[in-house]
Amino acid sequence: EVQVVESGGGLVQPGGSLRLSCAASGFTFSNYWMHWVRQAPGKGLVWVSRINSAGTIITYADSVKGRFTISRDNAKNTLFLQMNNLRAEDTAVYYCVRGIGGYWGQGTLVTVSS
Amino acid sequence: DVVMTQSPLSLPVTLGQPASISCRSSQSLVHSDGNTYFNWFQQRPGQSPRRLIYQVSNRDSGVPDRFSGSGSGTDFTLKISRVEPEDVGVYYCMQGTHWPYTFGQGTKLEIK
Repeated sequence: EVQVVESGGGLVQPGGSLRLSCAASGFTFSNYWMHWVRQAPGKGLVWVSRINSAGTIITYADSVKGRFTISRDNAKNTLFLQMNNLRAEDTAVYYCVRGIGGYWGQGTLVTVSS
Repeated sequence: DVVMTQSPLSLPVTLGQPASISCRSSQSLVHSDGNTYFNWFQQRPGQSPRRLIYQVSNRDSGVPDRFSGSGSGTDFTLKISRVEPEDVGVYYCMQGTHWPYTFGQGTKLEIK
């Protein structure tokens, strides 16, 4: 069974950092593009970042460029999102997604507040 | 960025009746590889999104055949032939042709 499980969310002060992880199982992780999508409370969905199977092609939404870093460890079947200089507007549930929306995790909540 | 515009944003439907959601993109979603990376998602209350339809008209595994997708270029439609209670939620269209990928605003389907 395909599973992606996010972790690492929590409460952080503005300007702080968090590192999200996504543990993948049930499929050959190294064959797939992986993505992060976020959803602010009561709002719609926003695509944040993507990384190709080898980790050599990476792109970001303008709203996070220069602050967030996506990476992956294919040996450990894990996707990461390093989030620095966090802002209140980054408050959201962050979803790990396989491919263009094929499989989603349950999400991890990031709250940026003083 | 490609703007995805859904209508209606609120959709009250009687059980057993059909429903239809439209989505229009601000530019063509035909990729240089010839495919159209246009998807529909369902988000039930309190749940993660779930993809229903990929590449315009292909149903994902386990999706009931009362859901169907159609369209081309910039205009797309999701149809539900007979609405069931478990269809309540928010439906999003999404394009994966141009980066950044973008979603529509969402259409909230409720039972009358």
